[in-house]
Amino acid sequence: QVQLQQSGPGLVKPSQTLSLTCAISGDSVSSNSSAWSWIRQSPSRGLEWLGRTYYRSKWYIDYAVSVKSRITINPDTSKNQFSLQLNSVTPEDTAVYYCARDPGVKYCSGVTCYYYYYGMDVWGQGTTVTVSS
Amino acid sequence: DIQMTQSPSSLSASVGDRITITCRASQGIRSDLGWYQQKPGKAPKRLIYTASSLQSGVPSRFSGSGSGTEFTLTISSLQPEDFATYYCLQHNSYPLTFGGGTKVEIK
Repeated sequence: QVQLQQSGPGLVKPSQTLSLTCAISGDSVSSNSSAWSWIRQSPSRGLEWLGRTYYRSKWYIDYAVSVKSRITINPDTSKNQFSLQLNSVTPEDTAVYYCARDPGVKYCSGVTCYYYYYGMDVWGQGTTVTVSS
Repeated sequence: DIQMTQSPSSLSASVGDRITITCRASQGIRSDLGWYQQKPGKAPKRLIYTASSLQSGVPSRFSGSGSGTEFTLTISSLQPEDFATYYCLQHNSYPLTFGGGTKVEIK
């Protein structure tokens, strides 16, 4: 079955970069149907979707507006994983960070096709990241 | 962004009780909604997808209903392992957004 294994530091200094990795087993980061997301959870912000990457003949990446100026999500096909970088962190970025799979299916009507995503079904174990000096 | 309003924020119930949790979307989201259970220190676990489809391996006492803007999660007979926090997630449009959560506690 699909499993996601997160890694990365649990403590980051203010103004520095938060970096996490999510290793995938049982599926592929280059899957033509799945998308791969990062989500965080804090008492003040609840569960917050941060962004996703997916491959549909080329790579696509979507980011939440709230972090768009500071976030980078990158796929790594050689290691079958994807990563999160969040720049210029502040204590407000202290949270538990999760990676997750968002499975999709392709529908076509005539020559028009689109993907329907079912929402996150498999989650990583979570990484508690504290931003503090 | 679509706002998801979940109610109640907490409830106390006994083993064997039937409980219902509601999620309201700020605009119509068809049936593009999932329900998740989260226990302390663990990642959310999906129970229901597309509003009413039961995730494989999830007990049948969990059920979901609704479409458009109003959705419900029902647990027909609460079991000791069901005491947890429950969240809804809309996956109709990006950014994906979650409800604020409902904490189910033992009475």
